[in-house]
Amino acid sequence: EPEVTQTPSHQVTQMGQEVILRCVPISNHLYFYWYRQILGQKVEFLVSFYNNEISEKSEIFDDQFSVERPDGSNFTLKIRSTKLEDSAMYFCASTGSYEQYFGPGTRLTVT
Amino acid sequence: QKEVEQNSGPLSVPEGAIASLNCTYSDRGSQSFFWYRQYSGKSPELIMSIYSNGDKEDGRFTAQLNKASQYVSLLIRDSQPSDSATYLCAVQMDSSYKLIFGSGTRLLVRP
Repeated sequence: EPEVTQTPSHQVTQMGQEVILRCVPISNHLYFYWYRQILGQKVEFLVSFYNNEISEKSEIFDDQFSVERPDGSNFTLKIRSTKLEDSAMYFCASTGSYEQYFGPGTRLTVT
Repeated sequence: QKEVEQNSGPLSVPEGAIASLNCTYSDRGSQSFFWYRQYSGKSPELIMSIYSNGDKEDGRFTAQLNKASQYVSLLIRDSQPSDSATYLCAVQMDSSYKLIFGSGTRLLVRP
């Protein structure tokens, strides 16, 4: 069964450093998303992406965040200058219609 | 502010019993409703989707939607210890593809 994959599973970085989180959505899906979940809190929407552009973003998704589909399979989330409060699980999701399927997540720890 | 509310639990049921999980949402523009299961430290796993009023059954799971009352529920029949997890309710507006999540209900099924 097709699934969303994410790498790395765990990323540790120092405050102020740039990180890139990678996702491979399900191959025939057209809509891609990033969500995050801070420990003990709700899953929060960050951004949606369709047809090579951002279709919607939340207030969390400020100028330090960017997304890109560099080739036909990968979908990336870049955080330019990480802060302590960026420590969270980051989930990529994709959909072909309405149902969104989540990847296993990347645990980002900012020290 | 679009809100999705769930009782945090834990909801404790004996093995073999019916577990009933509830969710309310604030925005009448919500059109699509989803239940996800999340094991500790893992990503949300889609269990059910429901789009119209009434019941939708899939195996041991039944989702119920009442748009007039802004209420969606999930019934799990013949609960198993492996069903012990946090169940997330997620809502999608007609005008947006993003999911708005509740904080989840923790279910504990006692052997």
